[in-house]
Amino acid sequence: DQQVKQNSPSLSVQEGRISILNCDYTNSMFDYFLWYKKYPAEGPTFLISISSIKDKNEDGRFTVFLNKSAKHLSLHIVPSQPGDSAVYFCAASRGNQFYFGTGTSLTVIP
Amino acid sequence: EAGVAQSPRYKIIEKRQSVAFWCNPISGHATLYWYQQILGQGPKLLIQFQNNGVVDDSQLPKDRFSAERLKGVDSTLKIQPAKLEDSAVYLCASSGQKNTEAFFGQGTRLTVV
Repeated sequence: DQQVKQNSPSLSVQEGRISILNCDYTNSMFDYFLWYKKYPAEGPTFLISISSIKDKNEDGRFTVFLNKSAKHLSLHIVPSQPGDSAVYFCAASRGNQFYFGTGTSLTVIP
Repeated sequence: EAGVAQSPRYKIIEKRQSVAFWCNPISGHATLYWYQQILGQGPKLLIQFQNNGVVDDSQLPKDRFSAERLKGVDSTLKIQPAKLEDSAVYLCASSGQKNTEAFFGQGTRLTVV
């Protein structure tokens, strides 16, 4: 039973443009939503999170939006840079239990 | 602050052999997780410890997988006997009481041939 879903396995964006990665979830009891970035041969690294009581959190070029009524969150990266090319995992947590999506591979084209 | 340490980084074994992975979490983190990540999929939780107690092992294939965290610090995950479908990256993560995120190690890539 996949509680967190990322329906786009891959995304390509031109350098300097906006990257938008999407994620859907099914459990309304999640407390926090997170995005992780993963380079090949490395473990996932935490990128940004948002509490379920907020609808937007911004950190530099990265902004996460949460739409609780739609059970949907998105990660915006602007401007996109070639170094942003990686697999991005959406995750949701309840207490200290984490549930991950299947990932979206982002390629930023120079 | 030192991160989550895992060893080995890579392991190749034949099916039906046994293998063990080691993880040392971030100092002071009470919660430790073992995830399995198969290529093209997201991390799947195998087992979660709170100190030395098991919180969730519902997705651990207990006929072949075992894990322990005897002193509430480092942990080992064992597979015996291994199957071809166990080929994956095994990720260890930890989180502290005030953390809203989990911190991951670099993972162990297991190939079963």
